[in-house]
Amino acid sequence: AQKVTQAQTEISVVEKEDVTLDCVYETRDTTYYLFWYKQPPSGELVFLIRRNSFDEQNEISGRYSWNFQKSTSSFNFTITASQVVDSAVYFCALITGGGNKLTFGTGTQLKVEL
Amino acid sequence: DAGITQSPRHKVTETGTPVTLRCHQTENHRYMYWYRQDPGHGLRLIHYSYGVKDTDKGEVSDGYSVSRSKTEDFLLTLESATSSQTSVYFCAIMSPRYEQYFGPGTRLTVT
Repeated sequence: AQKVTQAQTEISVVEKEDVTLDCVYETRDTTYYLFWYKQPPSGELVFLIRRNSFDEQNEISGRYSWNFQKSTSSFNFTITASQVVDSAVYFCALITGGGNKLTFGTGTQLKVEL
Repeated sequence: DAGITQSPRHKVTETGTPVTLRCHQTENHRYMYWYRQDPGHGLRLIHYSYGVKDTDKGEVSDGYSVSRSKTEDFLLTLESATSSQTSVYFCAIMSPRYEQYFGPGTRLTVT
């Protein structure tokens, strides 16, 4: 069985601060895929990134970066110079290779204030 | 954006009435999913489909049925709606790269 833990239920930061959202996963499979999704106050679920278990390179996309570390079973998400528009619930998720169901974390509510 | 739509987007219905939610995709993906999202529970899988007429239960399937007669359409039916089924329902499709893309959601209120 797989498990995804997002221990931070809610984080509040002031605009322009950097913030890291933690994601820890458990799986016995050697092939798996990790994801981050964003759910802004408008409610839609937006796909942000996919990472496979064989690629531990960090990923950067604008102000967003992701740090994948197999040694600690973590896939953390950092927002640099946060903005109010980053306020959302962020979900981390995992699926194993050959699997057909995502395992979601419980989400982290990020509030970015002026 | 992945081509996935849901209808209706909002619905209010009375306890005991049947309700059908529709999910439509234009991506021709094999896998489709129905989730519900409630405060404090995150996203919970109701049912999913791995092909036409091929479906399986998720973790909260009681009170729900699904059908998939065409690749592009996945229907979720509440045979007799109850207040506990008031929720936001999301449909999703999964690409061959295991990426799931979600529809805009349907807000269902059972009074």
